[in-house]
Amino acid sequence: GQSLEQPSEVTAVEGAIVQINCTYQTSGFYGLSWYQQHDGGAPTFLSYNGLDGLEETGRFSSFLSRSDSYGYLLLQELQMKDSASYFCAVRDRGGATNKLIFGTGTLLAVQP
Amino acid sequence: EAQVTQNPRYLITVTGKKLTVTCSQNMNHEYMSWYRQDPGLGLRQIYYSMNVEVTDKGDVPEGYKVSRKEKRNFPLILESPSPNQTSLYFCASSFYSGKNSGANVLTFGAGSRLTVL
Repeated sequence: GQSLEQPSEVTAVEGAIVQINCTYQTSGFYGLSWYQQHDGGAPTFLSYNGLDGLEETGRFSSFLSRSDSYGYLLLQELQMKDSASYFCAVRDRGGATNKLIFGTGTLLAVQP
Repeated sequence: EAQVTQNPRYLITVTGKKLTVTCSQNMNHEYMSWYRQDPGLGLRQIYYSMNVEVTDKGDVPEGYKVSRKEKRNFPLILESPSPNQTSLYFCASSFYSGKNSGANVLTFGAGSRLTVL
């Protein structure tokens, strides 16, 4: 079957660094992406990895290891506004090359 | 402003009363998709469309219909809603529909919260 696993909740303090892991099992793979969602609002795109390695975008970085079917999102210098749910998503082959499968999300709570 | 617009944002209806949730994007995106979000289950794909007149089922298509007659619009139709379709619905679109990395960058609408009594 197809599945993405990520922790359900993570707690960290302001200014710290937090890593949210994602492992995936899909029939195909065309890239791992990350989305942020605040309290039932629209998910917004954060980062994408098509190849192995680290991608950095400001305070956020994302890593991918295709051989391990594993990736993570790294958030540095945490701020209160980073409290949100974070979803990893894999583009799978499926019946076409356009199924974007989401994980169940990680709720990040940033404490003062 | 580049955006995906969904309507209605909130709707309470009764079992069996047909309804349509509209979705429109102004970015000339080929790819559009509908997701439902339920607590603990993340975002599950209902239907998607790679271009005009091209649609396909996602993971949870039962009870839903879609159409793509124009590039910008992708309405979601519930012919006979049931209480298990109570959910938060998101429409999304992206610029590319192939292996290109752009296919991974979805722009989401603000969501439509549907309650079926």
